[in-house]
Amino acid sequence: SQQGEEDPQALSIQEGENATMNCSYKTSINNLQWYRQNSGRGLVHLILIRSNEREKHSGRLRVTLDTSKKSSSLLITASRAADTASYFCATVNRGQNFVFGPGTRLSVLP
Amino acid sequence: EPEVTQTPSHQVTQMGQEVILRCVPISNHLYFYWYRQILGQKVEFLVSFYNNEISEKSEIFDDQFSVERPDGSNFTLKIRSTKLEDSAMYFCASRSQSGDNEQFFGPGTRLTVL
Repeated sequence: SQQGEEDPQALSIQEGENATMNCSYKTSINNLQWYRQNSGRGLVHLILIRSNEREKHSGRLRVTLDTSKKSSSLLITASRAADTASYFCATVNRGQNFVFGPGTRLSVLP
Repeated sequence: EPEVTQTPSHQVTQMGQEVILRCVPISNHLYFYWYRQILGQKVEFLVSFYNNEISEKSEIFDDQFSVERPDGSNFTLKIRSTKLEDSAMYFCASRSQSGDNEQFFGPGTRLTVL
C-alpha cells in the first residue's frame, strides 16, 4: 500500500452515528495529520497527532495513532450532515512535504 | 483569522498556452508548497520553496513547471506549455518555521486545459 492509505474509500452513515476512518502508512513519521475536503474545495486541517502520542481529541474528533502498526484512525462522533466530505491523512516525509492518501469519502445522511 | 488565498479560482486555457497560478501565503510563513489534485485522485506534492529557492520537487514538477516569489507576498506556479493532463486542482500551502509542520492550504485553483 502507499504511504497514507485510508480505508474505507467510501463510508455512508446516518446522522448521529459515529464514523471511523483508518489510515496506514509505511515509513517512520514525526506526526500524522488529518484533513477534510468538501467537494471541490480546499483542504482544512483537522487535527495533528505526534508520533509519541497515542490518542488525541478535538471536539467531536478523536484520533488514535499506533506507530507499531503504522496506522491511525479518525473517529467522528455524533455525525452531522455537514460532516459530509472527504477525509485525508497526511504524513510528512524527510523533505517536510506531505504525502496524502486517496481519502475516505464520508456521506452523512439526514 | 489569516488564510492562504489563491487566484484565479478557475482558469481555462488552451493546450500549449502558459498559465500562472497565484497564491498569497499567510504573511509570517516561511515555507511554501504547491500540490495538485487530479479529479477523483489523491493530492500530490509538486514543490516546496524556502528562502527563495526550491527545497524539494516531485517527479511531476518537470521543466514545464516553475515557481517564483516575485515580491514579499505572492508565490506563483507557472506552467510553460500546458498539456491536457495538467487539468487539475492546484493547491498552495504555507507553514511557519515553528511547530509541527501544520500546513495551511488555500482554496485551490481549478485548471482546465482544453
